[in-house]
Amino acid sequence: AQSVTQLDSQVPVFEEAPVELRCNYSSSVSVYLFWYVQYPNQGLQLLLKYLSGSTLVKGINGFEAEFNKSQTSFHLRKPSVHISDTAEYFCAAVTGTASKLTFGTGTRLQVTL
Amino acid sequence: DTEVTQTPKHLVMGMTNKKSLKCEQHMGHRAMYWYKQKAKKPPELMFVYSYEKLSINESVPSRFSPECPNSSLLNLHLHALQPEDSALYLCASSQERFTNEQFFGPGTRLTVL
Repeated sequence: AQSVTQLDSQVPVFEEAPVELRCNYSSSVSVYLFWYVQYPNQGLQLLLKYLSGSTLVKGINGFEAEFNKSQTSFHLRKPSVHISDTAEYFCAAVTGTASKLTFGTGTRLQVTL
Repeated sequence: DTEVTQTPKHLVMGMTNKKSLKCEQHMGHRAMYWYKQKAKKPPELMFVYSYEKLSINESVPSRFSPECPNSSLLNLHLHALQPEDSALYLCASSQERFTNEQFFGPGTRLTVL
């Protein structure tokens, strides 16, 4: 069965520091990968997606992610975070066999001064 | 228009009430979804409509009844809910089922007394 793992439930970071949020997936078939952000009391907003092609994907708000097939990872990075990046981040995957969007458990990014 | 709208924003209901949640999109998407999200958890899929037909029901109790009157509208009818059904209910849409990014609405915060 397809699964998505976000090992870090919380990531505290100072403003202007770089950050990496980790995501690993388990799938032996082709996979589509997504990162969503959820601000308090709001819906989910798509940050970026990997469907095919270049393994380095750039998204909104200065975020990027790298698809690594050999390590089955899709880590999210930002070189310099802002207080406004404080939110919950969900990694999600769809595979052809499951045909269902599977979410990781989420990582709470807490940016402080 | 790249927005999914949901009404109401908040809903408080008793266990004997009947209420409905509404979701609307005008992006021409042919797949629409209902998710339930409890605090500090990822969204859980409830229902999927594809071309206005119910294609996935994730074993949701019958007190939740979805309806897709047309390609732009999705309703969730609620009846005889339990306090544990209190959650954020998210609607989403995508061009086709699962293989493209899903656009999420802001959600309806439901409280069952």
